[in-house]
Amino acid sequence: EVQLLESGGGLVQPGGSLRLSCAASGFTFSNYAMSWVRQAPGKGLDWVSAISDGGDVSYYADSVKGRFTISRDNSKNTLYLHLNSLRVEDTAIYYCAKEPLDYWGQGTLVTVSS
Amino acid sequence: SYELTQPSSVSVSPGQTARITCSGDILAKKYARWFQQKPGQAPVLVNYKDTERPSGIPERFSGSSSGTTVTLTISGAQVEDEADYYCYSAGDNNLGVFGGGTKLTVL
Repeated sequence: EVQLLESGGGLVQPGGSLRLSCAASGFTFSNYAMSWVRQAPGKGLDWVSAISDGGDVSYYADSVKGRFTISRDNSKNTLYLHLNSLRVEDTAIYYCAKEPLDYWGQGTLVTVSS
Repeated sequence: SYELTQPSSVSVSPGQTARITCSGDILAKKYARWFQQKPGQAPVLVNYKDTERPSGIPERFSGSSSGTTVTLTISGAQVEDEADYYCYSAGDNNLGVFGGGTKLTVL
């Protein structure tokens, strides 16, 4: 059974940083690209970033480019999202998903507030 | 950047056919996917490559495509189908984009 478990969310001040993790199991992690998608409270889905199966190619939404960094450790079956220079508008539930977005975790809440 | 446009809401009675559209220039050359999201839950993929249905998704869910518009059709909608639905696609630059979402009401 495919499982994705996010962690690392929490309350952070504007300008602060966080590292989100997504532990994967139930499939061959190194064979699949992975993505992060977020959802602000009461709002729609917002694609954030994706990374290739080998981790050598990554993509970012314009709204997070230069502030967020996606990475993965295939030896640990874990996906990461490093969030820097956080803004109030980054407040959201952050989901990790296996490409083609056929499996999602339950999400981790990031709250950016002073 | 690309945009995908969906109606904000669709309402049908149980047993009727619900159709949710998604429009965007990128859809003329890229596949779309559809996601269902119920309150407090993660999204679920219900359709991909415009017309394909993942295993475990009821047959009443189907997809179609014409030009720059894709449509998710729920034939004989049931009360449990009430949810938010999102279309998604990715451009040549591999940047993903979601539609704004459609709230489906079945009552």
